[in-house]
Amino acid sequence: KAGVTQTPRYLIKTRGQQVTLSCSPISGHRSVSWYQQTPGQGLQFLFEYFSETQRNKGNFPGRFSGRQFSNSRSEMNVSTLELGDSALYLCASSLHRDSYNEQFFGPGTRLTVL
Amino acid sequence: AQSVSQHNHHVILSEAASLELGCNYSYGGTVNLFWYVQYPGQHLQLLLKYFSGDPLVKGIKGFEAEFIKSKFSFNLRKPSVQWSDTAEYFCAVIPSGAGSYQLTFGKGTKLSVIP
Repeated sequence: KAGVTQTPRYLIKTRGQQVTLSCSPISGHRSVSWYQQTPGQGLQFLFEYFSETQRNKGNFPGRFSGRQFSNSRSEMNVSTLELGDSALYLCASSLHRDSYNEQFFGPGTRLTVL
Repeated sequence: AQSVSQHNHHVILSEAASLELGCNYSYGGTVNLFWYVQYPGQHLQLLLKYFSGDPLVKGIKGFEAEFIKSKFSFNLRKPSVQWSDTAEYFCAVIPSGAGSYQLTFGKGTKLSVIP
């Protein structure tokens, strides 16, 4: 079974631009969560989608948004990029939406903002 | 809201040494607990998890963790580390049951094992 895939793997953008990251969950998984990983803050929860609806949102500004499609694939968008948005963005998928289901992580998208 | 604290930022050990990484959480209710590992250049993967029952749980690659409810702790242990255990280790917590489905991670502990 293929794992969680994320595209692109690396991105370089400049301040003020916007970016869209993509995540394809494991086949059959319906819940997709996004996390931001930085050396200083570690892993921080961005948001979670299930059945094309955002179910939870972390403490990030409105510049961070996302969506989920009917095939469970998810995208996240960051507008008006800032230097501090440079991070590894991780996507995780799980079969069901409860705390007993393991979240499987993708390799991440490394975003560098210049 | 829950929070997770990992005491050590960077641990350096020689091969065959014993390992214990500390993890404490803060939450008023029942939680599920996880340890994830991120090897250099690889994605985050689950080492072990605790939901209920025996507080000593065994995971992959010889790792184990003990849940001590009175101390809100879930420390990770390995009797004898290998060079291949060099990685970053993350403790995570999630409130049990349905509702919030948000993993809260500690800031991670980097483990360097010297051959």
